[in-house]
Amino acid sequence: DVKVTQSSRYLVKRTGEKVFLECVQDMDHENMFWYRQDPGLGLRLIYFSYDVKMKEKGDIPEGYSVSREKKERFSLILESASTNQTSMYLCASRASTRGGGYTFGSGTRLTVV
Amino acid sequence: DQQVKQNSPSLSVQEGRISILNCDYTNSMFDYFLWYKKYPAEGPTFLISISSIKDKNEDGRFTVFLNKSAKHLSLHIVPSQPGDSAVYFCAASATGRDDKIIFGKGTRLHILP
Repeated sequence: DVKVTQSSRYLVKRTGEKVFLECVQDMDHENMFWYRQDPGLGLRLIYFSYDVKMKEKGDIPEGYSVSREKKERFSLILESASTNQTSMYLCASRASTRGGGYTFGSGTRLTVV
Repeated sequence: DQQVKQNSPSLSVQEGRISILNCDYTNSMFDYFLWYKKYPAEGPTFLISISSIKDKNEDGRFTVFLNKSAKHLSLHIVPSQPGDSAVYFCAASATGRDDKIIFGKGTRLHILP
């Protein structure tokens, strides 16, 4: 069964901390994505990557960066966490072939205090 | 500007009746549409999809209808069951574009006993 694994289900961090959210997929997918989900705002794309060492900004990249050193791993980095980054973070992957949707991880609920 | 719109933030339906979730889109380049279901504290899971060459796709209790001229799609759940209570996201993508999927803001479905 295909899988996207996010390393933490729940995280609590302090304002100003550097935060790493890790995502690993075992499907050999080229494309990986980071979203955040907030009530009333749906799923908003933060960053995505089409290949190793490649990254593209999504709709709300401010305050975030990403790293993709290996095909299976896509990391989201909060350079200096702020309370407005409290959210549910969702990682997804997708094959480059047409058709099919994303496979999502279970999500990381991040609280910044 | 929202390219995928779910105008009903929430919907309540009696158990056993039909649930109809609606979605409108503005981008005429979209040719592949998906519905995702999301429970609290979990990642979205793929439910059903439809290509623009079809106007209907059925999978068990779930049917998606596509009206290209109206740029409208709907998800029908018959009969509705308690486990269907969740947030449903409509999503769309365009052939030849990047592999991003554009999501609506979601509709929270409550199935009433």
